[in-house]
Amino acid sequence: EAGVTQFPSHSVIEKGQTVTLRCDPISGHDNLYWYRRVMGKEIKFLLHFVKESKQDESGMPNNRFLAERTGGTYSTLKVQPAELEDSGVYFCASSAAGLSTDTQYFGPGTRLTVL
Amino acid sequence: LAKTTQPISMDSYEGQEVNITCSHNNIATNDYITWYQQFPSQGPRFIIQGYKTKVTNEVASLFIPADRKSSTLSLPRVSLSDTAVYYCLVGPPNTGFQKLVFGTGTRLLVSP
Repeated sequence: EAGVTQFPSHSVIEKGQTVTLRCDPISGHDNLYWYRRVMGKEIKFLLHFVKESKQDESGMPNNRFLAERTGGTYSTLKVQPAELEDSGVYFCASSAAGLSTDTQYFGPGTRLTVL
Repeated sequence: LAKTTQPISMDSYEGQEVNITCSHNNIATNDYITWYQQFPSQGPRFIIQGYKTKVTNEVASLFIPADRKSSTLSLPRVSLSDTAVYYCLVGPPNTGFQKLVFGTGTRLLVSP
């Protein structure tokens, strides 16, 4: 069974540009999460999808960040326009439906560098 | 979610037993303790979870004293491949259905 995949693995962009990160969860997982770790900081929650609906987006830093999960399968996280402080590693995780005791399975992350 | 405190880093040698302690003084009655492992260039990976006393699986053991204000992750006979960051999290047991709150973690370096 394939794990959580993320694309690209690395992205280097200039300040003011737009970047779109993609996450493909484990097949059949309704829950999808985005986290990020900026330089020197802890891994922080961004938002949680249940299927195509945003369950919790309390961690989204500002309106430059837009997450979507059309169709309840893969998800995208767009940063527009990117700022220097957005640099970091963005992780996606997925888990099975409902109140299962199943854990979250993380992808390898996308390393974003904003110059 | 309860705040956790762990050592920033630890060093060990191959074949040794490593014990990483986590403090969580404000743990709630319903909270569980969960440990994640993160290898370089990978996302965190669940390794073990417990509520009280001792839990053991194929990867590690988790020791939790009666007051539950701390816990110890024990890795038997570590190898170079155990070099990773280990995170202690405290919260509800259904970690698949809640946002996870990560602390700074403990960076374990295993040397030959």
